[in-house]
Amino acid sequence: KQEVTQIPAALSVPEGENLVLNCSFTDSAIYNLQWFRQDPGKGLTSLLLIQSSQREQTSGRLNASLDKSSGRSTLYIAASQPGDSATYLCAVRVGSSNTGKLIFGQGTTLQVKP
Amino acid sequence: AAGVIQSPRHLIKEKRETATLKCYPIPRHDTVYWYQQGPGQDPQFLISFYEKMQSDKGSIPDRFSAQQFSDYHSELNMSSLELGDSALYFCASSLWGGEQFFGPGTRLTVL
Repeated sequence: KQEVTQIPAALSVPEGENLVLNCSFTDSAIYNLQWFRQDPGKGLTSLLLIQSSQREQTSGRLNASLDKSSGRSTLYIAASQPGDSATYLCAVRVGSSNTGKLIFGQGTTLQVKP
Repeated sequence: AAGVIQSPRHLIKEKRETATLKCYPIPRHDTVYWYQQGPGQDPQFLISFYEKMQSDKGSIPDRFSAQQFSDYHSELNMSSLELGDSALYFCASSLWGGEQFFGPGTRLTVL
């Protein structure tokens, strides 16, 4: 059974710092991996999608890497800003069909202090 | 760009009542997913549809049912509501093999 773990559960950093969020999964047979941002009580905003054949994806100050063989992904946030404060969730898509469900980690809650 | 639309955004029901949640996927997306997120929990997959056929089923109670209609919108029907059903319910849509885009969610409160 696929399990997704995110470390740390919470993180507080001063503005301007670069930071790394970690995600690990137990079954390397994934179709892709997505990183999401969730503000309190709000919906999920997709940040980056990495297909299983890819090693990394970049969008602005965000860079996500994927090492499928070791079951790990990282989300790198450069020059953090107070507006980055949110919960970040990683999710792996299981199955080989187009109907694969997402299995989520429990998230890392990030606070960026001005 | 058009996003996933969910209605209603908030819903308050009494125990044992019935609720219907609606989801309108991004135009031309062929797959719809439903997820449930309890307080302080990560989203849990409930059910999905591809081209109007149920394609996968997760931890969805027998009291719940869902379908996808000819216009691709989907409805989640929840009967005999329990206090533990209080949660955020998300709908997501995607193209085949693609990124899942989530709606804003419906917050269901069962009193």
